[in-house]
Amino acid sequence: GAVVSQHPSRVICKSGTSVKIECRSLDFQATTMFWYRQFPKQSLMLMATSNEGSKATYEQGVEKDKFLINHASLTLSTLTVTSAHPEDSSFYICSLAGDADTQYFGPGTRLTVL
Amino acid sequence: KQEVTQIPAALSVPEGENLVLNCSFTDSAIYNLQWFRQDPGKGLTSLLLIQSSQREQTSGRLNASLDKSSGRSTLYIAASQPGDSATYLCAVREGGSEKLVFGKGMKLTVNP
Repeated sequence: GAVVSQHPSRVICKSGTSVKIECRSLDFQATTMFWYRQFPKQSLMLMATSNEGSKATYEQGVEKDKFLINHASLTLSTLTVTSAHPEDSSFYICSLAGDADTQYFGPGTRLTVL
Repeated sequence: KQEVTQIPAALSVPEGENLVLNCSFTDSAIYNLQWFRQDPGKGLTSLLLIQSSQREQTSGRLNASLDKSSGRSTLYIAASQPGDSATYLCAVREGGSEKLVFGKGMKLTVNP
């Protein structure tokens, strides 16, 4: 399967700052990538679907101006959490649509906003 | 709205037991169902994927079944080992969409 990396793996920031999370496909050209958020003891919730070269599609209740997604190439998608607040603290995971109807997931990024 | 439920939320067993993990979903119009494993603080590893037209899939000690009409899937783990300790997530992909809807997961602890 495809290998997906995320950077950084952990980030701690002050309230009000912006944080960028990168999701890279190391060996697969991904036209579609997904961003999920997982709160403790909760399900992974899809935030948005990112298509290379076009605007992301956001799920209901996810603020597109707060969570900026850029899918500039077939191997890189970025999620920027703007003006982060403590309630944005979560585990953010990206995935890419692979072959055989499956998704390949990155290792996740733990965001803590103080 | 599709909802995926996994009960129980946690399970602790001695090594060697055969296990059955349950997953139920509310809308049977699914495209496929996947079982994932998640280790603490890590991403997801796909274990088994069952297409809507299939009844089961097997990989090593793992067997997953799907009863679409009743909205149920089970993951069977044979001869459990401490290395199987992890959170197991069930996710359905809805027809006409690439979106995955996840359950909350079941935390499994296999004690030596």
